Amino acid sequence: AQSVTQPDIHITVSEGASLELRCNYSYGATPYLFWYVQSPGQGLQLLLKYFSGDTLVQGIKGFEAEFKRSQSSFNLRKPSVHWSDAAEYFCAVGGSGSGGSNYKLTFGKGTLLTVNP
Amino acid sequence: DVKVTQSSRYLVKRTGEKVFLECVQDMDHENMFWYRQDPGLGLRLIYFSYDVKMKEKGDIPEGYSVSREKKERFSLILESASTNQTSMYLCASSISGQETQYFGPGTRLLVL
Repeated sequence: AQSVTQPDIHITVSEGASLELRCNYSYGATPYLFWYVQSPGQGLQLLLKYFSGDTLVQGIKGFEAEFKRSQSSFNLRKPSVHWSDAAEYFCAVGGSGSGGSNYKLTFGKGTLLTVNP
Repeated sequence: DVKVTQSSRYLVKRTGEKVFLECVQDMDHENMFWYRQDPGLGLRLIYFSYDVKMKEKGDIPEGYSVSREKKERFSLILESASTNQTSMYLCASSISGQETQYFGPGTRLLVL
């Protein structure tokens, strides 16, 4: 069964500091990996995704993530955090193939990011 | 842009009421999903559908049912609402063969 672990429930950083949010996954085949962001009271917005190819993926809002198969990780990074980045971040894993159940994503429990001025 | 809309942003219902949550997507997506989100538990899949009139149980289907009569609309039904169904409900859709899910804004349901 696939699973996602986000070890950090809550992270606080200062505005302008760098950020790394951790994500570890368990999946039996080549995974599809996602990062979503959720602002308070809103739905989830896709930040970036990895399907194949270059293991360093660029996303929106200046975020990037690196897929490391040997570590089963897909950590999210941003070199300089802005106050508007304060939100909850979710990592998700899914799989390829046909059949309805293969279209499911499994989400981590989320990391809440607080940005101090 | 993909647009997923949910019929209500906030809903207050009484225990025992039948509750309908509606979700509509405008991009002809085959797959649609219903999640509930609770603090500390993340997103948990309730039901999903990969075609009209097709549905499959997710991880927590108990107390819920769904209906998909048209491709663009996926309804979540609480047959007899209970207080432990107070939660944020999120709908999502995706194209078959592409796992990227697009989410609606959510419905925050309070059951009294």
